[in-house]
Amino acid sequence: EPEVTQTPSHQVTQMGQEVILRCVPISNHLYFYWYRQILGQKVEFLVSFYNNEISEKSEIFDDQFSVERPDGSNFTLKIRSTKLEDSAMYFCASTVTLNQPQHFGDGTRLSIL
Amino acid sequence: GNSVTQMEGPVTLSEEAFLTINCTYTATGYPSLFWYVQYPGEGLQLLLKATKADDKGSNKGFEATYRKETTSFHLEKGSVQVSDSAVYFCALSPDSSASKIIFGSGTRLSIRP
Repeated sequence: EPEVTQTPSHQVTQMGQEVILRCVPISNHLYFYWYRQILGQKVEFLVSFYNNEISEKSEIFDDQFSVERPDGSNFTLKIRSTKLEDSAMYFCASTVTLNQPQHFGDGTRLSIL
Repeated sequence: GNSVTQMEGPVTLSEEAFLTINCTYTATGYPSLFWYVQYPGEGLQLLLKATKADDKGSNKGFEATYRKETTSFHLEKGSVQVSDSAVYFCALSPDSSASKIIFGSGTRLSIRP
């Protein structure tokens, strides 16, 4: 069965550094998402992306965050200047249409030191 | 607004016991409802879904019925196994045109042999 894949599985970064999290959505999917889960807390929506632009974003997704689909397969989340509170598990998801369930990757654990 | 409330864990049961994890929701439109499961060290997997009132979602022996009158979507299984140990998330998508999924806080389930 096709899967959403995320790399790396664990990223350790110094505070203030830029980090890029990578995702390869399922190949025929058109809608892409990032969520995060701070340890012990809820999974929170960050951003959705369709047709090469952001379709919705949460208040968490401030100017420090950006997303990009640089080619036909990758979908990236960039955090420009990381803060301690950015430490979390970040999940990428994709779906073929809006009324179908989203498929999630295994996540990238981001640790900010 | 839109929100999901689910029973707090952890829940510990013996193998072959009956399971219920309560979930209630608040939504302004006609949401789709989901249960996602997160096995240790893995990402979020869709367990089951229901898209309209009175629909019953089922998968792997788990069931949940979309109850509009009580705004609930409780997860049940008649006889749990050790392999069902995981964190279970109730979630909603506000309507068919919405991008994001809103998650409950998750319920950790542990099954004793």
